[in-house]
Amino acid sequence: EPEVTQTPSHQVTQMGQEVILRCVPISNHLYFYWYRQILGQKVEFLVSFYNNEISEKSEIFDDQFSVERPDGSNFTLKIRSTKLEDSAMYFCASSELFNQPQHFGDGTRLSIL
Amino acid sequence: KQEVTQIPAALSVPEGENLVLNCSFTDSAIYNLQWFRQDPGKGLTSLLLIQSSQREQTSGRLNASLDKSSGRSTLYIAASQPGDSATYLCAVFAGNQFYFGTGTSLTVIP
Repeated sequence: EPEVTQTPSHQVTQMGQEVILRCVPISNHLYFYWYRQILGQKVEFLVSFYNNEISEKSEIFDDQFSVERPDGSNFTLKIRSTKLEDSAMYFCASSELFNQPQHFGDGTRLSIL
Repeated sequence: KQEVTQIPAALSVPEGENLVLNCSFTDSAIYNLQWFRQDPGKGLTSLLLIQSSQREQTSGRLNASLDKSSGRSTLYIAASQPGDSATYLCAVFAGNQFYFGTGTSLTVIP
């Protein structure tokens, strides 16, 4: 069964550095999402992306964050000037159509030191 | 703002029991509700999706119901097995995003 893949599985970065988290959504899916889960807390929505543009973003997704679909297969989340509180699991998800099941990757554990 | 609550936070049952997990949400204007399973250190696995116009969905030993007007959903697991041990999350899709509950941690004791 097709799946969403995320790399790396674990990223350790010094505070203030930039990180790029990578995702390969399921190939025929059109809607892409990023979520994060701080340890012990709820999964939180960050951003949704459709037709090469952001369709929705949460209050968390400020100027520190950006997303990009640089080619036909990858979907990236860039976090600039990382802070300690950015430490979390970051999940990518995709769905074939709006209002269809979202399929999640296994996540990238981001640790900011 | 949509708030999603799950009760109980943790549940421990002997193998073979039937069980019910509860989810409530504050705003009935949703497109769908999805139940997920999360294993430690892993991503979310979709179990069932109920569209806002539907009342229930079934997959194997799982049955999910939705009462949109009262803001409630239940996930029924029949004949529980140790392999069902995981955290179960419900999420409502509204606007263009999911709102997640805090999850129910289920332990099925052999």
